[in-house]
Amino acid sequence: GAVVSQHPSRVICKSGTSVKIECRSLDFQATTMFWYRQFPKQSLMLMATSNEGSKATYEQGVEKDKFLINHASLTLSTLTVTSAHPEDSSFYICSARRTDQPQHFGDGTRLSIL
Amino acid sequence: AQTVTQSQPEMSVQEAETVTLSCTYDTSESDYYLFWYKQPPSRQMILVIRQEAYKQQNATENRFSVNFQKAAKSFSLKISDSQLGDAAMYFCASTAPGANSKLTFGKGITLSVRP
Repeated sequence: GAVVSQHPSRVICKSGTSVKIECRSLDFQATTMFWYRQFPKQSLMLMATSNEGSKATYEQGVEKDKFLINHASLTLSTLTVTSAHPEDSSFYICSARRTDQPQHFGDGTRLSIL
Repeated sequence: AQTVTQSQPEMSVQEAETVTLSCTYDTSESDYYLFWYKQPPSRQMILVIRQEAYKQQNATENRFSVNFQKAAKSFSLKISDSQLGDAAMYFCASTAPGANSKLTFGKGITLSVRP
């Protein structure tokens, strides 16, 4: 089946640090990639939608200068949390999708900002 | 616009028994897809089952089946012969066709399985 790799799985860093999370589709070319944030015991909250070679589309309330998304190729999207602060601590999940196929999710990244 | 409602935050089932998780949705799309995702404590999102709205036949995957009532906009998940490994959060979701179409998730339900 389709596999999406997300790296790193766990990050602990100091306040003010920028953190980059990678999302790769390993065995298919993803038309679109999505980035979600999830708080404990809550549903996934869509942050942005990205397509290869174009600017990401951010959901309302998500700061694009804070959460930089780069979609360099059909198999790689990155999310950079810039100047991270404790309130950015969360679980971040990516997904990748081919046209009219279900979204396949990465295993998520647990980000902790001290 | 799409909305997905899961009104039960928690459910519990005895091992080997059957449990049904409820989900209702609303959409203005004429064509759409419905999903159930499982998220165990590892927090990996696992696709359990998928239903195309234009198909009248209910989808089935081994012990998992859905009751899709299109007119009532209801999409419940039935888990038969429940196993301890079924304990997880379950999310109902919907999307329209098209690569950029977003998944709309319900709030999720936490299922516990009693040994």
